[in-house]
Amino acid sequence: ETGVTQSPTHLIKTRGQQVTLRCSSQSGHNTVSWYQQALGQGPQFIFQYYREEENGRGNFPPRFSGLQFPNYSSELNVNALELDDSALYLCASSLALSGGTEAFFGQGTRLTVV
Amino acid sequence: ILNVEQSPQSLHVQEGDSTNFTCSFPSSNFYALHWYRWETAKSPEALFVMTLNGDEKKKGRISATLNTKEGYSYLYIKGSQPEDSATYLCAYDGSSGGSYIPTFGRGTSLIVHP
Repeated sequence: ETGVTQSPTHLIKTRGQQVTLRCSSQSGHNTVSWYQQALGQGPQFIFQYYREEENGRGNFPPRFSGLQFPNYSSELNVNALELDDSALYLCASSLALSGGTEAFFGQGTRLTVV
Repeated sequence: ILNVEQSPQSLHVQEGDSTNFTCSFPSSNFYALHWYRWETAKSPEALFVMTLNGDEKKKGRISATLNTKEGYSYLYIKGSQPEDSATYLCAYDGSSGGSYIPTFGRGTSLIVHP
C-alpha cells in the first residue's frame, strides 16, 4: 500500500460534461503529479502541484486543471470532455519537488467518456 | 517531444530464468531515471531512482544500471518468480526551467510461468 488513494475508481461521463477526480496524498507530501494513461501507452504527465501552486505542465489543453489543498488532497478537473479523454488517471505524491524523489502512486481512476 | 523507449514490449520466461529489460532516454537535460513495477489491479510501485552516471542499484533479486552519457538503463531480474509478473515502467526526469517533467516509457510486460 502506497498510502495514496484516488476516488472514484471508475466513472462514466458523457461527451461535453465536466469531471472532477480526487487524490489523497501521503501525509507530509507537498508535491502531487497527475498522469493520463491511454490504452497501450505509458502514463503521460499532465501537471504537477507543489505547495498548492502549479509547477510544471505537460502537453495538455487548459480544460485540464487542478487544485491542491493544504490537507494533502488534490483534484484534477476536466471540462468539455472528449471521447479521447477516456483513460486511466493516476496521481502520485512525493516528499519534495526534486525530480529525483521517489513517487508514490494511487491505483487510478478509470474514466470512460461516451 | 521526448522519446523514452522500452524493450522488449513483452516477455514470457520460465520460473528460475534470469531476464533483463532496456530503457532508452534522451541524454540531454537528464536529472533522474525511475523504475516502477506495476502489478495488475494495483498501483505502480517505485523500485529505483537513479541520478548518477554509472549508478547501480539492487533490491533483492532485482538490480538496475544507468548510463546517462549514452541514454540507457537496464533492469535485471535474477531467478524470476511468478510473483515478478508485472509491467515494468521506466520514467525519465528531464529538467526544464526549474521544474522536472517526467516522461514514461510504455513498459515491458513480464510474465513468469511456473
